Amino acid sequence: QKEVEQDPGPLSVPEGAIVSLNCTYSNSAFQYFMWYRQYSRKGPELLMYTYSSGNKEDGRFTAQVDKSSKYISLFIRDSQPSDSATYLCAMSDNAGNNRKLIWGLGTSLAVNP
Amino acid sequence: KAGVTQTPRYLIKTRGQQVTLSCSPISGHRSVSWYQQTPGQGLQFLFEYFSETQRNKGNFPGRFSGRQFSNSRSEMNVSTLELGDSALYLCASSQQGANNQPQHFGDGTRLSIL
Repeated sequence: QKEVEQDPGPLSVPEGAIVSLNCTYSNSAFQYFMWYRQYSRKGPELLMYTYSSGNKEDGRFTAQVDKSSKYISLFIRDSQPSDSATYLCAMSDNAGNNRKLIWGLGTSLAVNP
Repeated sequence: KAGVTQTPRYLIKTRGQQVTLSCSPISGHRSVSWYQQTPGQGLQFLFEYFSETQRNKGNFPGRFSGRQFSNSRSEMNVSTLELGDSALYLCASSQQGANNQPQHFGDGTRLSIL
């Protein structure tokens, strides 16, 4: 079993829909949680960064962490065709060391106009 | 400010050959990390360089090596290429290399081994 599990999709939604992307993890020591977006033929770009539990909002994006369930989510409101990409979660128990980042395999999202 | 630049974008090699990939980080960034991305394994950390020194290393064989120059540019070398080395190789830079700072990724080098 992988330390971080992410449904690969593909997920296909109509424009304007609310999208929910999720990752589960097994290591209860994880405290730092990130969501990256990767467009085709591009490198990942950081969307959201959260520490410990709770919610964080940035425009149409909300990141949610539930440490008791070992579950993190990224919600996209009013989804747009430009949101079509692969979304990667990453997490770590150590903020000071990129080597310790554990990545999900990514969920492919298509938003249809 | 220019982003992270990786060259070349695409490369085709045969088994047994060696290859060198290049990464120019964002100006002022001292940390450069390299990742291998494949559909089955996702993003896997190769190594990180900071101020010309390898600071961290992932679980890859010694055929994978790297270096960083005084201007923070970095190169990654893979020797004795195997079919399984076919992947997207990504370079990411950040100011200090801590994962509570955003890593800025290049668009990668797509390496295909025949």
